[in-house]
Amino acid sequence: DVKVTQSSRYLVKRTGEKVFLECVQDMDHENMFWYRQDPGLGLRLIYFSYDVKMKEKGDIPEGYSVSREKKERFSLILESASTNQTSMYLCASSLPTLFSTDTQYFGPGTRLTVL
Amino acid sequence: QKEVEQDPGPLSVPEGAIVSLNCTYSNSAFQYFMWYRQYSRKGPELLMYTYSSGNKEDGRFTAQVDKSSKYISLFIRDSQPSDSATYLCAMSPNTGNQFYFGTGTSLTVIP
Repeated sequence: DVKVTQSSRYLVKRTGEKVFLECVQDMDHENMFWYRQDPGLGLRLIYFSYDVKMKEKGDIPEGYSVSREKKERFSLILESASTNQTSMYLCASSLPTLFSTDTQYFGPGTRLTVL
Repeated sequence: QKEVEQDPGPLSVPEGAIVSLNCTYSNSAFQYFMWYRQYSRKGPELLMYTYSSGNKEDGRFTAQVDKSSKYISLFIRDSQPSDSATYLCAMSPNTGNQFYFGTGTSLTVIP
């Protein structure tokens, strides 16, 4: 049973703070993703990693960075949090090639509020 | 034009009704089709997963894919109040690197 866990369910930070969101998966998936989800906008890809130390920008990478030092762990970093980064952040993982029995799985989400 | 279009609703039905949720897409390369259920303030949970065209049934849920029309559906029979959630469709070509999501349809099942 795939499990993707995120370090915090709810987080409140102040403008300008550096924020770390952690994600861990236990299925040995090569691919890991960070999305943000906002009402009316759906899921938007921030960053994607297909291997340790590898990363690709998604649709909205500005203001974010990522780190993947171990296969199971993918971190999202907000270098200087701003109020427009208040959102639900979702981590996901998948194999590099989809099969009939496997796809993308999500963590429970971190609801971040920046004051 | 978005890659995946999904009516956001909201959709409100009485308990026991049959619910039909739909998505259309434009990219003929999509081969994997997913439906996720997302309860309020939770992460999306994989509900159904289909490869290529055809139907797939799991209990009260049936997923249909019509690649010729670029149209996918999720049917919920005998809907329950616990089915009240947002349903997201998602699609991918033959790769785990790219996923395309609908914006989600909000469903409420009234007891």
